[in-house]
Amino acid sequence: SQQGEEDPQALSIQEGENATMNCSYKTSINNLQWYRQNSGRGLVHLILIRSNEREKHSGRLRVTLDTSKKSSSLLITASRAADTASYFCAGSGGGADGLTFGKGTHLIIQP
Amino acid sequence: DAGITQSPRHKVTETGTPVTLRCHQTENHRYMYWYRQDPGHGLRLIHYSYGVKDTDKGEVSDGYSVSRSKTEDFLLTLESATSSQTSVYFCAIREGGTDTQYFGPGTRLTVL
Repeated sequence: SQQGEEDPQALSIQEGENATMNCSYKTSINNLQWYRQNSGRGLVHLILIRSNEREKHSGRLRVTLDTSKKSSSLLITASRAADTASYFCAGSGGGADGLTFGKGTHLIIQP
Repeated sequence: DAGITQSPRHKVTETGTPVTLRCHQTENHRYMYWYRQDPGHGLRLIHYSYGVKDTDKGEVSDGYSVSRSKTEDFLLTLESATSSQTSVYFCAIREGGTDTQYFGPGTRLTVL
């Protein structure tokens, strides 16, 4: 079963605008990780947020986590054409647990 | 890329043949994982390992087996490949200090 469900499934915006993607998950997590995947390529790790954190920043990325609502959001500010990709959230229960992924948001940045 | 390589990168095989995919890491990570990625499903966990000869099943383990005889290598075997196992397979390691999982480049497997 999917742990995370991203929303929206697809998003198209103009270059320079901000892009927000949401993720909801079903069971308790130790941490939640966001990844980027360019078409036909591997997964690039973007950011990890732990269950006791509410917000985290990395460059143009801002991630929030609301454990009471079992939801997270990824904000990309000042988008660039190179940000065009699929974005996945993935939750981990900790320990040796693998990640449980959502189906992803496909982001298209229009030049 | 956390020193992860996968081989082969592409493979075409026929139904009923055995297939082994290899994941190799160079940084002595304890935890290793195999996932498959299919359209409409995202990535799903097949098997994982928490040490040499220590492995466990994931969400979609039927039809797959794994082995880990050395820290650096984690093998995924399809004993008798089926068309439903056509997929892209990703290996990952978990970085112990941060819990971050890093992924290999993937193997695209086609079963005819």
